Amino acid sequence: KNEVEQSPQNLTAQEGEFITINCSYSVGISALHWLQQHPGGGIVSLFMLSSGKKKHGRLIATINIQEKHSSLHITASHPRDSAVYICAVANTGNQFYFGTGTSLTVIP
Amino acid sequence: NAGVMQNPRHLVRRRGQEARLRCSPMKGHSHVYWYRQLPEEGLKFMVYLQKENIIDESGMPKERFSAEFPKEGPSILRIQQVVRGDSAAYFCASSPLGTGIEDIQYFGAGTRLSVL
Repeated sequence: KNEVEQSPQNLTAQEGEFITINCSYSVGISALHWLQQHPGGGIVSLFMLSSGKKKHGRLIATINIQEKHSSLHITASHPRDSAVYICAVANTGNQFYFGTGTSLTVIP
Repeated sequence: NAGVMQNPRHLVRRRGQEARLRCSPMKGHSHVYWYRQLPEEGLKFMVYLQKENIIDESGMPKERFSAEFPKEGPSILRIQQVVRGDSAAYFCASSPLGTGIEDIQYFGAGTRLSVL
């Protein structure tokens, strides 16, 4: 079993839809990261969370430490949001674990 | 302020050769991380360095792989005697002086290594 599980693995949405990507983890963490990887491979760090909620534009990330769960929400989705979204956790021993990613396609 | 710079973007090596991957962190960042993304697999942590120190190399293969982050110059990930299984995208990230692995990390565009 992976230390980090993401769902869904693949997601297709119509432009404008509200999107949620989920991440569950099984280790004690010091921080959780959401990353975005576009076709062609470049990676962008979207959020780093250790508690609560963060918002950046149309993106919202939440984390529930007790439930070991985080969600990434995209409001008013757009085709340019099409990418792979990766959840990564840093445990208290400074080791990093990555989810396998959620491939999002937003159709115009 | 330039982002994290990795070079080369693409590197082709024959089996048995050495591969050197370079990463220049963002200005003011003293923490560097290397990750590997094998074909059809997710990212995996390799090593975490600060200037002149290896902090965590738990993700590094025990043989042929080494990393350094000297006082001056870029961080180098070195792979000796490459094999086909080393073909992957290697990403570098940096974070500001602070809490290290708990910092937001800024990623480079990656180096795609192909071993023939």
